[in-house]
Amino acid sequence: DGGITQSPKYLFRKEGQNVTLSCEQNLNHDAMYWYRQDPGQGLRLIYYSQIVNDFQKGDIAEGYSVSREKKESFPLTVTSAQKNPTAFYLCASSTGTGASPLHFGNGTRLTVT
Amino acid sequence: GQNIDQPTEMTATEGAIVQINCTYQTSGFNGLFWYQQHAGEAPTFLSYNVLDGLEEKGRFSSFLSRSKGYSYLLLKELQMKDSASYLCAALDSNYQLIWGAGTKLIIKP
Repeated sequence: DGGITQSPKYLFRKEGQNVTLSCEQNLNHDAMYWYRQDPGQGLRLIYYSQIVNDFQKGDIAEGYSVSREKKESFPLTVTSAQKNPTAFYLCASSTGTGASPLHFGNGTRLTVT
Repeated sequence: GQNIDQPTEMTATEGAIVQINCTYQTSGFNGLFWYQQHAGEAPTFLSYNVLDGLEEKGRFSSFLSRSKGYSYLLLKELQMKDSASYLCAALDSNYQLIWGAGTKLIIKP
């Protein structure tokens, strides 16, 4: 079955440490996205990529970095520069054409203390 | 600015009907999505409307009025498994999604 996999589901880190969240898809989708979800707020776009080796900043890219070396993979690094990193992170993919719906992974809940 | 409004929380009874409203203000408009999200899980796609009117999919229907900047999701014959958050998202002129904060639906027996 095709899908999108995020790992791990829960992640705990100390303040000042960088951490990388994994996202892999086997849907053959061109576009991939990272969102952050906080209570009481809509999903906020961190980074997106419409093609391999290319990505764009979303609305809240500061303190985050990504890479897109393979079509299937779009890892997100939360750096120590991110002021408020504790959140639920969602990765998504789509065909990237027009109004194609997003397919989401099950999310990674990151807690930084 | 761009904005999506939807109620924070709604409560309904098993077997009943509930309507979740969403109003939007965007720079241009290329359609509106509804997603369902159970707690701690991935949002899943429910519907997409770009033309005015009602689209029905089984127990779920979605309505759009472009002139009013308004949509609703109608859930019939409510089941306990419908307890979830329902996310409304509008696609602007640049095909960027603008997300509402979600409506938490609580179903009571």
